[in-house]
Amino acid sequence: AQSVTQPDIHITVSEGASLELRCNYSYGATPYLFWYVQSPGQGLQLLLKYFSGDTLVQGIKGFEAEFKRSQSSFNLRKPSVHWSDAAEYFCAVGLMEYGNKLVFGAGTILRVKS
Amino acid sequence: DTAVSQTPKYLVTQMGNDKSIKCEQNLGHDTMYWYKQDSKKFLKIMFSYNNKELIINETVPNRFSPKSPDKAHLNLHINSLELGDSAVYFCASSQGGGQAKNIQYFGAGTRLSVL
Repeated sequence: AQSVTQPDIHITVSEGASLELRCNYSYGATPYLFWYVQSPGQGLQLLLKYFSGDTLVQGIKGFEAEFKRSQSSFNLRKPSVHWSDAAEYFCAVGLMEYGNKLVFGAGTILRVKS
Repeated sequence: DTAVSQTPKYLVTQMGNDKSIKCEQNLGHDTMYWYKQDSKKFLKIMFSYNNKELIINETVPNRFSPKSPDKAHLNLHINSLELGDSAVYFCASSQGGGQAKNIQYFGAGTRLSVL
């Protein structure tokens, strides 16, 4: 069955430090992959997506992610974290053959300390 | 000019009541979705409609009934509310055709509390 695993429930980083959030997926075909961010009490905002082509994708707010097929991973990175990045981050895989539903990971809560 | 708007934002009700959540998108998309986010923040799809036709119907109690009067609206009606229905419900939409179909835009969510 298709699934997405985010191994880290919580991550705390210092402001200005680099960040990497891990995401692994289980899916037989070529995946469509996404990272969404949810600020407290807010909806989900799309950070970036991977469909095909260049495996390093750039997103909004200075985020990037790298698709590694051999590791079934799509890790999210940011070189220098800002306090406003504190939020919950969700990795998801899009399943076109299942009506385009998104299967989400459990999320990673990012805390930023000053 | 909210792209995907849900009403109400908060809904507090008693067990056994019937309630509806409304969703509207002004993006011109042809596909709309309902997701449920439980108390552990886990997000799971419930339904999807494409041009008013139901295309995804996950394992959801039949007390939940989606209704799509047109492709810009997808409402969620819940009968006989139970404590376990307490969650945040998100509406989303996407545009059919090619890879753009995969990009889903989410509303701000409706927090339902059943007492």
